[in-house]
Amino acid sequence: AQSVSQHNHHVILSEAASLELGCNYSYGGTVNLFWYVQYPGQHLQLLLKYFSGDPLVKGIKGFEAEFIKSKFSFNLRKPSVQWSDTAEYFCAVRGQAGTALIFGKGTTLSVSS
Amino acid sequence: SAVISQKPSRDICQRGTSLTIQCQVDSQVTMMFWYRQQPGQSLTLIATANQGSEATYESGFVIDKFPISRPNLTFSTLTVSNMSPEDSSIYLCSVATSTLQNEQFFGPGTRLTVL
Repeated sequence: AQSVSQHNHHVILSEAASLELGCNYSYGGTVNLFWYVQYPGQHLQLLLKYFSGDPLVKGIKGFEAEFIKSKFSFNLRKPSVQWSDTAEYFCAVRGQAGTALIFGKGTTLSVSS
Repeated sequence: SAVISQKPSRDICQRGTSLTIQCQVDSQVTMMFWYRQQPGQSLTLIATANQGSEATYESGFVIDKFPISRPNLTFSTLTVSNMSPEDSSIYLCSVATSTLQNEQFFGPGTRLTVL
């Protein structure tokens, strides 16, 4: 069965600090990988996704993620965070087409100004 | 993208009652899913809603507690039956379509509080 592990439960950063959130998945076949963000009081938004090709994917709001197949990882990065990045971040994986996303437990990011 | 609406957006219910949540999509979609997000938790898949057949439930979820209907390619309902306070959660409808690289979209959710 697929599973997703997010290493950090709560990350606290100051504005302009760099961000890296870890995500590892467990699945034997080809996977699609996603990062979603949930701002306080809002619903899920897609940050970025990886289906195939270039393992470094760029998403919205300056976020990027790198797929490292040998490590089963898909870490999210941002060079310089802003206060407005305060949110919950979810890594998700999907195996074969037509199946539902499986989510990690999420990481709460708090950015102080 | 697919635009998803859910009704109701929130509700407060009494223990032992049932609530039916509706999910409407603005276009025909291949896959529809129901998730639960308990307070402070991640999203847990409840079931896949299959058009014209019984839903496929994940481990820990059963049809008697969460009956699901999907009469067509744009609409589904999830009923939370015989509710208890432990069912207090946000329930989310999600869809995926093969025409959009299988990207999965989420509705705004239904916030349920059971007293």
